[in-house]
Amino acid sequence: SQQGEEDPQALSIQEGENATMNCSYKTSINNLQWYRQNSGRGLVHLILIRSNEREKHSGRLRVTLDTSKKSSSLLITASRAADTASYFCATARVRDDKIIFGKGTRLHILP
Amino acid sequence: DAGVIQSPRHEVTEMGQEVTLRCKPISGHDYLFWYRQTMMRGLELLIYFNNNVPIDDSGMPEDRFSAKMPNASFSTLKIQPSEPRDSAVYFCASSFVGVGGYTFGSGTRLTVV
Repeated sequence: SQQGEEDPQALSIQEGENATMNCSYKTSINNLQWYRQNSGRGLVHLILIRSNEREKHSGRLRVTLDTSKKSSSLLITASRAADTASYFCATARVRDDKIIFGKGTRLHILP
Repeated sequence: DAGVIQSPRHEVTEMGQEVTLRCKPISGHDYLFWYRQTMMRGLELLIYFNNNVPIDDSGMPEDRFSAKMPNASFSTLKIQPSEPRDSAVYFCASSFVGVGGYTFGSGTRLTVV
């Protein structure tokens, strides 16, 4: 069963706009990670946020974590065509540290 | 480092045949994971190893699936006999404890006809 659920399932925005994706999960976690997958490729690790952190930045990426609501968001600022991909959240469960992926958000950047 | 290397990239086989997927993790990584990705079920963890030892194989769908890691630089996932419902993209990933984040291979697209 899925631990993380991304929302929305698909998102189309104009180049230059900001893109926000959300992830909700069910059980207590050690950390939450975001990955990007380009069509036909493997997943690429973007950023990891630990359960005791609330916000993290990496370049144009900003991740927030709210453990009380069991949710996270990924913000991509000033989107580019190259950001077109699927984005997955993955949670490391406390009880066994197993990392479980959600089904992803398909992001399409329009020129 | 060349990253996680999987072979073959594509595999087309007939139902009932044996299929072997291969993975070379990043040198020095002590965890290795096998995932399966389909449109319907998303990314499913099949099995993972720590220091070459299988830790959790609860995601392996049935006895037709088996995985081995004879040494730190090589792992195989075998399906015998294969069935059309096994068609999917199979990913191998590796990681190093304490660092966080997985490095994925490019995957093997398996089609069973």
